[in-house]
Amino acid sequence: DAMVIQNPRYQVTQFGKPVTLSCSQTLNHNVMYWYQQKSSQAPKLLFHYYDKDFNNEADTPDNFQSRRPNTSFCFLDIRSPGLGDTAMYLCATSTGLAGEQYFGPGTRLTVT
Amino acid sequence: EDKVVQSPLSLVVHEGDTVTLNCSYEVTNFRSLLWYKQEKKAPTFLFMLTSSGIEKKSGRLSSILDKKELFSILNITATQTGDSAVYLCAHRTGGSNYKLTFGKGTLLTVNP
Repeated sequence: DAMVIQNPRYQVTQFGKPVTLSCSQTLNHNVMYWYQQKSSQAPKLLFHYYDKDFNNEADTPDNFQSRRPNTSFCFLDIRSPGLGDTAMYLCATSTGLAGEQYFGPGTRLTVT
Repeated sequence: EDKVVQSPLSLVVHEGDTVTLNCSYEVTNFRSLLWYKQEKKAPTFLFMLTSSGIEKKSGRLSSILDKKELFSILNITATQTGDSAVYLCAHRTGGSNYKLTFGKGTLLTVNP
């Protein structure tokens, strides 16, 4: 089945230790997104790729970076995680025209 | 700044009740409004609305958009305990920016 896959599902990292979260999709969608969702809050867009074009939200901290080596994969790198980065990280994809975003299961990141 | 406001923030009902969830928005470049259901995992897509007055239905769920008054409602009839979730409303901007702006969600609890 076509889907959005995120790995790992759960990640615990230490304060300041770099971490990489992975997202892959078999939907062949040209747009991929990363959201951060803290407890009891709405998902907040960090950035998105339209094909290879990277679009960063103005309030996304510099600590967060992303890579999209090909259509199927997108990575979220957190260079020096702080305690405040503990959250669920959601990857989503869409075709530009459809507007529906299909979400992966999320990675729950805990920074200790 | 675009804004999406959902009400109520939480709601407790009994099985069999009908509920109406509200979403109002203030946006500069409207393209579509989306509803998602989020249990303890990633959001799952319910509806996308682009035109006023056209009801979308899926089983016991239905939704409608009023572009003049800038709001949408999500109705759930004959609620079941499996409907318990956070229901998220999101606005998608037009143009080349594919950003979804989410509301904070309505936490629906359906008791047996």
